[in-house]
Amino acid sequence: QVQLQESGPGLVKPSETLSLTCAVSGYSISSGYYWGWIRQPPGKGLEWIGSIYHSGSTYYNPSLKSRVTISVDTSKNQFSLKLSSVTAADTAVYYCARLFTVVTPEWFDPWGQGTLVTVSS
Amino acid sequence: SYVLTQPPSVSVAPGKTARITCGGNNIGSKSVHWYQQKPGQAPVLVIYYDSDRPSGIPERFSGSNSGNTATLTISRVEAGDEADYYCQVWDSSSDHLVVFGGGTKLTVL
Repeated sequence: QVQLQESGPGLVKPSETLSLTCAVSGYSISSGYYWGWIRQPPGKGLEWIGSIYHSGSTYYNPSLKSRVTISVDTSKNQFSLKLSSVTAADTAVYYCARLFTVVTPEWFDPWGQGTLVTVSS
Repeated sequence: SYVLTQPPSVSVAPGKTARITCGGNNIGSKSVHWYQQKPGQAPVLVIYYDSDRPSGIPERFSGSNSGNTATLTISRVEAGDEADYYCQVWDSSSDHLVVFGGGTKLTVL
């Protein structure tokens, strides 16, 4: 059974860089699939941040692309998110998930439990 | 970028049928996936490829997709179905590859 677990600081200061890691268990990232980050501001809907293939190929949300870096560490079976120059608008629950891929990437399953990141001084 | 439109809320009595729509330009040509999110929990996939159910999802959940509207149908609604529901597509025609609908709050009366 594939499981994902997000980790990282719950509080980040404005203008700094948000850094999160998603540890994957029950499946080797090297075996395939895309992996992704999604966020949800309090009381709002889901927003896709970006996705990465096990080879390191990435797709980013164009609205966040200038501030986002997603990387993969197959030796640790984990992937990471960095979001720079954060503001209060980046306060959200951040989820990692596997992006199930057939011919093309399609749906997210499973998801991590999510981690709340608050941007505040 | 591609836009998915969902009604903010849908209400239904227990035992009745709930239908949650997801509108998009020619969405029938895309594969639509649906997620259920209960308060304080991560989203859970309930329908993929328009109408397929993952293992463990009750048969009461079904989906369809045609023209400009995809629909998630929940039959014999139970109190435990009260949640937010999101549709999602992979849009290879634009840079914004993953698109979520705004979400629909299902209230069981």
